[in-house]
Amino acid sequence: TQLLEQSPQFLSIQEGENLTVYCNSSSVFSSLQWYRQEPGEGPVLLVTVVTGGEVKKLKRLTFQFGDARKDSSLHITAAQPGDTGLYLCAGDSGGSNYKLTFGKGTLLTVNP
Amino acid sequence: NAGVTQTPKFRVLKTGQSMTLLCAQDMNHEYMYWYRQDPGMGLRLIHYSVGEGTTAKGEVPDGYNVSRLKKQNFLLGLESAAPSQTSVYFCASGNKHNEQFFGPGTRLTVL
Repeated sequence: TQLLEQSPQFLSIQEGENLTVYCNSSSVFSSLQWYRQEPGEGPVLLVTVVTGGEVKKLKRLTFQFGDARKDSSLHITAAQPGDTGLYLCAGDSGGSNYKLTFGKGTLLTVNP
Repeated sequence: NAGVTQTPKFRVLKTGQSMTLLCAQDMNHEYMYWYRQDPGMGLRLIHYSVGEGTTAKGEVPDGYNVSRLKKQNFLLGLESAAPSQTSVYFCASGNKHNEQFFGPGTRLTVL
């Protein structure tokens, strides 16, 4: 059974601070996705990383896929209250497996 | 495009009652999924479908049934609701890259 461990589970910071959240596994994934879920809403896809070592930027968010494709990180620069939400990582093992393995998420609160 | 829509948004049932949750997508995706989300448990896959007329069990299928009679619709049924099925239910559709697009959720309470 593939597992994705996310850390920290909870994070509360002040506006303007930087932060990094992590997504780790002992399994190799063909790609990894990050989602953000705001309260009362469904998760929304932020980015997909495919190549080991790949770095993608989305405004103040930087996503990195580990060289061995077993882990990923999300770094937010100068966090804003609008960044508040549950950040989920999800791994795709590829092939004919149509399912994703989801982590339990990091709940981020950015205080004004 | 509406993306993925779910009906109803909220529902309260009594133990033993039945209901059907409807999911519709307008992105022409082959894959569709039903998840439940509970505090501390994350998203758990109930059932999924890789195409019209096909369904498969996920991680927590007991107590639920599904049907995919049309490509754009995926129905989740509860035949005899139990309090343990109180949860938030999300439907998602997936593209060929296995990226998933979620609906807004159905909040179900079983008394």
